[in-house]
Amino acid sequence: GDSVTQMEGPVTLSEEAFLTINCTYTATGYPSLFWYVQYPGEGLQLLLKATKADDKGSNKGFEATYRKETTSFHLEKGSVQVSDSAVYFCALSTKAGGTSYGKLTFGQGTILTVHP
Amino acid sequence: SQTIHQWPATLVQPVGSPLSLECTVEGTSNPNLYWYRQAAGRGLQLLFYSVGIGQISSEVPQNLSASRPQDRQFILSSKKLLLSDSGFYLCAWRDAGISGNTIYFGEGSWLTVV
Repeated sequence: GDSVTQMEGPVTLSEEAFLTINCTYTATGYPSLFWYVQYPGEGLQLLLKATKADDKGSNKGFEATYRKETTSFHLEKGSVQVSDSAVYFCALSTKAGGTSYGKLTFGQGTILTVHP
Repeated sequence: SQTIHQWPATLVQPVGSPLSLECTVEGTSNPNLYWYRQAAGRGLQLLFYSVGIGQISSEVPQNLSASRPQDRQFILSSKKLLLSDSGFYLCAWRDAGISGNTIYFGEGSWLTVV
């Protein structure tokens, strides 16, 4: 079945440090890939996504590139801020169509804490 | 634009009591609807999904049930809560069209069973 493996946390960084959170996946077919962010006490928000190989998703200074050859979708940010402290989830969705319901399969989440 | 709301945001229930969490989506028709649970310190687990009114599929055997009485309404229920039902419950929706593959989440409901 489909699965997502994320870098184990927690990750603790100083403000303006470079961030990488690794994510690899296994899936049949050609999934879409997502990063969701969960701020303390809140639901999940879509951070960025990529729907085909070599696509780069970007938002709020975060980037991730869909690498089919390495089945990876690593999240990066050049300079983190205290406000980036949150839990980050990598996820994949199989292509939905017909009777397929296109569910999300999540990684276990990575807690990021950024200190001033 | 589409919005999703779920309630209540927080509840504390005794073991053996019933549960009802409600979720509604606005601004779209015939969405795919989902209930996820996030247990403390763990990832998200898909509990139920629905592709239409009255159509419910369960991903894991459990103490909970789901219903979809209207197109944009999704309800999570239990007749008798267990301690292990505690967690953060998230409703989500997706445009059922082939091109719509992003899933959007509600604000979540914190359930503590005591």
